[in-house]
Amino acid sequence: EDQVTQSPEALRLQEGESSSLNCSYTVSGLRGLFWYRQDPGKGPEFLFTLYSAGEEKEKERLKATLTKKESFLHITAPKPEDSATYLCAVQAMGSAGGTSYGKLTFGQGTILTVHP
Amino acid sequence: DGGITQSPKYLFRKEGQNVTLSCEQNLNHDAMYWYRQDPGQGLRLIYYSQIVNDFQKGDIAEGYSVSREKKESFPLTVTSAQKNPTAFYLCASRKRRGLSGNTIYFGEGSWLTVV
Repeated sequence: EDQVTQSPEALRLQEGESSSLNCSYTVSGLRGLFWYRQDPGKGPEFLFTLYSAGEEKEKERLKATLTKKESFLHITAPKPEDSATYLCAVQAMGSAGGTSYGKLTFGQGTILTVHP
Repeated sequence: DGGITQSPKYLFRKEGQNVTLSCEQNLNHDAMYWYRQDPGQGLRLIYYSQIVNDFQKGDIAEGYSVSREKKESFPLTVTSAQKNPTAFYLCASRKRRGLSGNTIYFGEGSWLTVV
């Protein structure tokens, strides 16, 4: 069974204080690892997809990295508007001969609060 | 603008009542999904559909039903058999092909509360 564990559950930072969020996963063949941002009462907003160990992607103050067992979301010099819940999810390879239905298995998320 | 539209945003259900959540997408995506989100439990898959007139159960399908009569639409019915329906419901879609075919995009969600 695919599993995703995110840590910490909650993270409080001062504006400008860089840090990282962790996503540990076990999956029967990784098709992709996804990061989403979710604001309160809203649907998740897509940030990144990572496909293979060693891959990195950046967007503004966010940088996502991937190893064979975990992914990190690095936040450099965060601002209050970066406050949100960050969700990690994995997508497994489809069964042999079949078509992957694209199911995502999510972690519980990390609630990030950035104080001015 | 292209996107996924869920309605209503807030819905109240009485005991023993069936309710239907609407999901429409104009992204020309092939696959559509329904997830449920509860505090501290992450998102869990209820149903998914890869093509019109075909859908499969996800991890927590009991007490729910869906239909996929049109490519753009994937309504979810929460039946009276669902014992704990109060949650945030998210509809999502995926292209299935091309460079961005693996990415699942979400709507803004619908809150369902049992009264």
